Amino acid sequence: AQSVTQLDSHVSVSEGTPVLLRCNYSSSYSPSLFWYVQHPNKGLQLLLKYTSAATLVKGINGFEAEFKKSETSFHLTKPSAHMSDAAEYFCVVNAGGFKTIFGAGTRLFVKA
Amino acid sequence: EPEVTQTPSHQVTQMGQEVILRCVPISNHLYFYWYRQILGQKVEFLVSFYNNEISEKSEIFDDQFSVERPDGSNFTLKIRSTKLEDSAMYFCASSEGTANEKLFFGSGTQLSVL
Repeated sequence: AQSVTQLDSHVSVSEGTPVLLRCNYSSSYSPSLFWYVQHPNKGLQLLLKYTSAATLVKGINGFEAEFKKSETSFHLTKPSAHMSDAAEYFCVVNAGGFKTIFGAGTRLFVKA
Repeated sequence: EPEVTQTPSHQVTQMGQEVILRCVPISNHLYFYWYRQILGQKVEFLVSFYNNEISEKSEIFDDQFSVERPDGSNFTLKIRSTKLEDSAMYFCASSEGTANEKLFFGSGTQLSVL
């Protein structure tokens, strides 16, 4: 069975400071891992994905994530937050088949 | 970048009524999905569709739900007799390959059952 846990329901940072959104997964197989972002009243947009190539994955808008098998983690980071980064972020795991499992989401607040 | 289009953006219906949610996936994609997100809860997988048949479905996707690709471009989700607990945001998605590939999501249909 596979599952994904986002460790923080809310994260608040100041503009220009680093962002860390935490995600742990559980999977019986080598998973594919994704981060999606959802801005208010918008659909889900893919930020980045890991599919067993390089463990450090770079995505759009300056985000990146590192796959750490020993820690079963896939945390999302950004060196410097921007006001436009305020949104809901979802960590997603797929370990085969068509069923993709979403985390509960982390809402990122960015203060001016 | 190509988009998945969903209509309508909002749908209000009475309990017990049938609703059809419509989606136009990206034209060269072969795999199609429906997800839903009840307010304040996780995004949940409903069903995946490939080669004109359901390839996988969750326990949520009971006999009240059905999917169809009626004309080679649209992909629909039908709820036969809506219940209050069907109120949610419904997302359509498509991908070229399996769910290991990038999923493209539509902006969702907010369904409100009164």
